[in-house]
Amino acid sequence: SQQGEEDPQALSIQEGENATMNCSYKTSINNLQWYRQNSGRGLVHLILIRSNEREKHSGRLRVTLDTSKKSSSLLITASRAADTASYFCATVRGVGTDKLIFGTGTRLQVFP
Amino acid sequence: GAGVSQSPRYKVAKRGQDVALRCDPISGHVSLFWYQQALGQGPEFLTYFQNEAQLDKSGLPSDRFFAERPEGSVSTLKIQRTQQEDSAVYLCASSLRGRRAFFGQGTRLTVV
Repeated sequence: SQQGEEDPQALSIQEGENATMNCSYKTSINNLQWYRQNSGRGLVHLILIRSNEREKHSGRLRVTLDTSKKSSSLLITASRAADTASYFCATVRGVGTDKLIFGTGTRLQVFP
Repeated sequence: GAGVSQSPRYKVAKRGQDVALRCDPISGHVSLFWYQQALGQGPEFLTYFQNEAQLDKSGLPSDRFFAERPEGSVSTLKIQRTQQEDSAVYLCASSLRGRRAFFGQGTRLTVV
């Protein structure tokens, strides 16, 4: 079974707007990662945040992590049509393993 | 190679047929993972190798599923007596210990 859930399940916005996706998980983690998947393609790693970090930035991406609430959010600023994809969070639970447990995903549609 | 390579990209199997899916990880990557992704869902963990050792096979759905990585590089996922519910995209990923995972493009299996 999957570790967590993401909301919303689907999100539609206009180019230039910001997109926020949330991820909740169930158990304590070592790190949390966000991936993007275009239709019919493989998963592309976006960003990794460790359990002792609270916020991380990469270009137009901002990720936050709240371990007390077991939740994370991914913010994409100034979205582009090319950002249209499914976004997944994935957690690594403990030391000694690199096993990723994925959430259910958010399908983002950015209209030009 | 430059990335994780999976073959075949597409496979159509008749129900009851055995199939073998191949994964060539990035050279030097110790960790290798197999995931199953049903349409519209997040990837579900199947199994995980560190070098040639299969450390976790808790996600394999039945004893019809078998994975191996005999020399610690190339891995094969074998599904015996395929059934319609096995239809999915099978994703392979590799990583260095404790680092981000790189995913292949997947093998889309259709059981008819």
